Amino acid sequence: GAVVSQHPSWVICKSGTSVKIECRSLDFQATTMFWYRQFPKQSLMLMATSNEGSKATYEQGVEKDKFLINHASLTLSTLTVTSAHPEDSSFYICSAISRFPLPEAFFGQGTRLTVV
Amino acid sequence: AQSVTQLGSHVSVSEGALVLLRCNYSSSVPPYLFWYVQYPNQGLQLLLKYTTGATLVKGINGFEAEFKKSETSFHLTKPSAHMSDAAEYFCAVMPNNAGNMLTFGGGTRLMVKP
Repeated sequence: GAVVSQHPSWVICKSGTSVKIECRSLDFQATTMFWYRQFPKQSLMLMATSNEGSKATYEQGVEKDKFLINHASLTLSTLTVTSAHPEDSSFYICSAISRFPLPEAFFGQGTRLTVV
Repeated sequence: AQSVTQLGSHVSVSEGALVLLRCNYSSSVPPYLFWYVQYPNQGLQLLLKYTTGATLVKGINGFEAEFKKSETSFHLTKPSAHMSDAAEYFCAVMPNNAGNMLTFGGGTRLMVKP
């Protein structure tokens, strides 16, 4: 089946630094990818929709200058957490939609971000 | 607009007992329906999905779910729980039109007692 690869799986960074998370669709092209944030023992919260070749669409309450999304190709979307703070520590998950034969969402392995 | 409700944030069963995780949805258009499983510090793995055709869908690890349009439900079942089934389970809905956004339920943590 289709695979989505997310990297890195774990990252620890200092406050004030930036962290980039990559999401790749390995065997299909994804014009749309989604970025989620998951707090402990909670469901996934959609942060933004990443659109290839255009600006991302952010959900209400998500700071676009804080969470920079770039979708430069049909197989790669990146999420950069800028000037990270401890409250940004969370589990981030990306998803890509394969449209054929029927729409189905595939998820990356997730990235555990810890800001110290 | 669409929404998903998972009744019971925690479900505890004994090993070998029936597993029943409930999911109800609302959607303005006929939906595609999914169940995902998540193990600690991992992404989501697809258990099964309903798109068209037979309303009883069989998935991996012995799970199955039945789409009941009249009840707007898509409950997940497994006849006999195994210790390895302990995880977080998410029900999700996607509209079957051009939009491909998944809407998730709140999740249900399944605990399996020996």
